[in-house]
Amino acid sequence: SAVISQKPSRDICQRGTSLTIQCQVDSQVTMMFWYRQQPGQSLTLIATANQGSEATYESGFVIDKFPISRPNLTFSTLTVSNMSPEDSSIYLCSVSPGTASYNEQFFGPGTRLTVL
Amino acid sequence: GDSVTQMEGPVTLSEEAFLTINCTYTATGYPSLFWYVQYPGEGLQLLLKATKADDKGSNKGFEATYRKETTSFHLEKGSVQVSDSAVYFCALTNTGGFKTIFGAGTRLFVKA
Repeated sequence: SAVISQKPSRDICQRGTSLTIQCQVDSQVTMMFWYRQQPGQSLTLIATANQGSEATYESGFVIDKFPISRPNLTFSTLTVSNMSPEDSSIYLCSVSPGTASYNEQFFGPGTRLTVL
Repeated sequence: GDSVTQMEGPVTLSEEAFLTINCTYTATGYPSLFWYVQYPGEGLQLLLKATKADDKGSNKGFEATYRKETTSFHLEKGSVQVSDSAVYFCALTNTGGFKTIFGAGTRLFVKA
């Protein structure tokens, strides 16, 4: 298993600003994922972040809006840029110990973002 | 593409009642199936999983059986407790990839 922490746990931001969310894992992992969970909704994958390569973004998400860094095997950041109220959501990072389909994901506690 | 459909909530039960949350999936190949649980104010955590047909995943009194013939993975518990109140997500990860598809989630309320 993996223990994941996220910072900040919550924030209230003004429209047009940017917020960087940090995700720290207590062990080295290959696969790291960033999700958005809008109120009362399921999880939507934003991107997959692998160390040493560019993040792979899902349809509807672009690097200019959600730049991601993955400098090593235990850390990643997601930036929400030029925020609008529609970006208000919970942002979750998760990791998987491998690429096999039977590998479960371990999730961080989430960052609750409110944009005014 | 792959998809997961689970019953809409909220589901409200009295303590010690029997729980079923239905989940069906559409996928090519041989996916692995998961149930994740999200307690209030927390991130998701794995509840149970099954990686091939007829496998039964179980944990904390919850069970789900991978039924390939009906493409289902229904979650059951014989006697729920107030502490089981949470949102439950059915999910799949297909072979040949690492992307996990989540269902919409089912919120469970258990009354004392």
